[in-house]
Amino acid sequence: QKEVEQNSGPLSVPEGAIASLNCTYSDRGSQSFFWYRQYSGKSPELIMFIYSNGDKEDGRFTAQLNKASQYVSLLIRDSQPSDSATYLCAVDFYNQGGKLIFGQGTELSVKP
Amino acid sequence: EPEVTQTPSHQVTQMGQEVILRCVPISNHLYFYWYRQILGQKVEFLVSFYNNEISEKSEIFDDQFSVERPDGSNFTLKIRSTKLEDSAMYFCASRDRQGPQHFGDGTRLSIL
Repeated sequence: QKEVEQNSGPLSVPEGAIASLNCTYSDRGSQSFFWYRQYSGKSPELIMFIYSNGDKEDGRFTAQLNKASQYVSLLIRDSQPSDSATYLCAVDFYNQGGKLIFGQGTELSVKP
Repeated sequence: EPEVTQTPSHQVTQMGQEVILRCVPISNHLYFYWYRQILGQKVEFLVSFYNNEISEKSEIFDDQFSVERPDGSNFTLKIRSTKLEDSAMYFCASRDRQGPQHFGDGTRLSIL
């Protein structure tokens, strides 16, 4: 059974701080990892994807992947109230264009 | 920016009735997916579709469900005889050969 685990939160950070969101997955052979943002009642919106060990930066967002530890994280620098949402970690376990397995999501609240 | 479009945004149906959810994937995408999200729960994979056939389906996708790509642009999900537990948000997603999946805005299905 392929599993993706996230702390459901809520994670509360002050405006301007760094928010750190974490995700673990069950299959060491997994290849593709995705972070989606979901506002309440809305659809998942792609934020970042990462395939290789290390860091990948895009603006205020950094995805970090450690395959040995089966761990992927998302850092949000200079957090804004508009970043308040649920962040979904998703894994394509087979890297063949197949299904995504989602975690429960971490609710982030950025306080002004 | 091209996007996945879904109609209707909200569908209310009596239990036992058939319902068809419609999706127009991004035009150059080759892989198509349906997911659902019951209120307060994880996003769950239903089915993937490539080259005019189902690539993979989950345990949720039983005989009551079917998918079809009736023409070059539409991708539909049919539920033959709806049950109360089919009430959920249904998301269509698509991807090209290499990229990540992009989600539509979803259809909220309410079964009475």
